Amino acid sequence: DSGVTQTPKHLITATGQRVTLRCSPRSGDLSVYWYQQSLDQGLQFLIHYYNGEERAKGNILERFSAQQFPDLHSELNLSSLELGDSALYFCASSVARAWNTGELFFGEGSRLTVL
Amino acid sequence: SQQGEEDPQALSIQEGENATMNCSYKTSINNLQWYRQNSGRGLVHLILIRSNEREKHSGRLRVTLDTSKKSSSLLITASRAADTASYFCALNRDDKIIFGKGTRLHILP
Repeated sequence: DSGVTQTPKHLITATGQRVTLRCSPRSGDLSVYWYQQSLDQGLQFLIHYYNGEERAKGNILERFSAQQFPDLHSELNLSSLELGDSALYFCASSVARAWNTGELFFGEGSRLTVL
Repeated sequence: SQQGEEDPQALSIQEGENATMNCSYKTSINNLQWYRQNSGRGLVHLILIRSNEREKHSGRLRVTLDTSKKSSSLLITASRAADTASYFCALNRDDKIIFGKGTRLHILP
């Protein structure tokens, strides 16, 4: 058990809908990273938050947004869903920012299926 | 590209043999990490090597880093069935940690 909790584990929804994925980092970790993993694209970096502040963005679509709350949990919002958004979404946490140590602890992921 | 590229994409070896996988990259990095992923599960951190280090060991794992060639290798010695998984290198640069597409390792009984 990594100590990172992601909910929901599975989610099935329709095109055009909006979903929210939630991540609770390990106790004491200030950094939260979001990744998208699909079969043909590998693990894509979406966004990194550190202590409530956005630190870096990757290949995150404009339809997607994220935030980190004062209690350090994070949410990833996906809107106007398309079939191609079907993927496994991972959250990972770290005690520090990437340039310092950067060892990530991953949750078990949220599997999103868009029909 | 900011990501590392693992080579080979897939590798099958007999149990007990050593497995070597490589990661090449193009940008400067703060450090490089290796992770393992069992099918559909969350990734698990294996080892981190800093840009000023050349080699690190952890149990049956040995990682090397050559910053002049911008490459790293992961060696798993005396492989076991439980080592069957995908292995990813991850590049730490600034506030990003970027993963490659991974090497799928299959240990044959």
